[in-house]
Amino acid sequence: AQSVTQLGSHVSVSEGALVLLRCNYSSSVPPYLFWYVQYPNQGLQLLLKYTSAATLVKGINGFEAEFKKSETSFHLTKPSAHMSDAAEYFCAVSEEGAQKLVFGQGTRLTINP
Amino acid sequence: NAGVTQTPKFQVLKTGQSMTLQCAQDMNHNSMYWYRQDPGMGLRLIYYSASEGTTDKGEVPNGYNVSRLNKREFSLRLESAAPSQTSVYFCASSLGQGAWVSLTDTQYFGPGTRLTVL
Repeated sequence: AQSVTQLGSHVSVSEGALVLLRCNYSSSVPPYLFWYVQYPNQGLQLLLKYTSAATLVKGINGFEAEFKKSETSFHLTKPSAHMSDAAEYFCAVSEEGAQKLVFGQGTRLTINP
Repeated sequence: NAGVTQTPKFQVLKTGQSMTLQCAQDMNHNSMYWYRQDPGMGLRLIYYSASEGTTDKGEVPNGYNVSRLNKREFSLRLESAAPSQTSVYFCASSLGQGAWVSLTDTQYFGPGTRLTVL
């Protein structure tokens, strides 16, 4: 069965610093991978998704993620953090025939002024 | 276009009480989902409906029932609430249908229902 592991339940960076949120997946077939963001007291919304078209995926709000098959990773990055990026971030994987997403446990991102 | 709506936003129940969480979407989506979110555990799928008239169990279905009332609405029922069901519940929808659900479908989430069972 597919699974997702997010390394670090909390990440804290300074405003303007690089954001790196780690996600590793386990899948027996080529996966389709997603990053969702949850702002306080809201539902989740899609940041970006990997659909095998390109290994570097650009999303909303300046985020991007790179699919690395050899490392089974799909880490999320943003060159310069903004205060508005403070949220919880979830990596998720879907797999053919599964008809559902499997989510990681989430990483809470804090931005320090 | 409201997207995915959920009612109520907050609810407090006593152990043994029952309640139904309502979810509706206006995007003409075929698939709908119910998740629960608990600290440190991400989102876990309770039930899903890949098309109108069908429902399937997810990862944590025990203690819950669902009804896909029509294409727009998907309700979640707790027949006899337990403290272990204290959680935040999210409904989501996506365009894909049945066995041909698109693997790259984006799921659209409602704002959530915060449920406390005493």
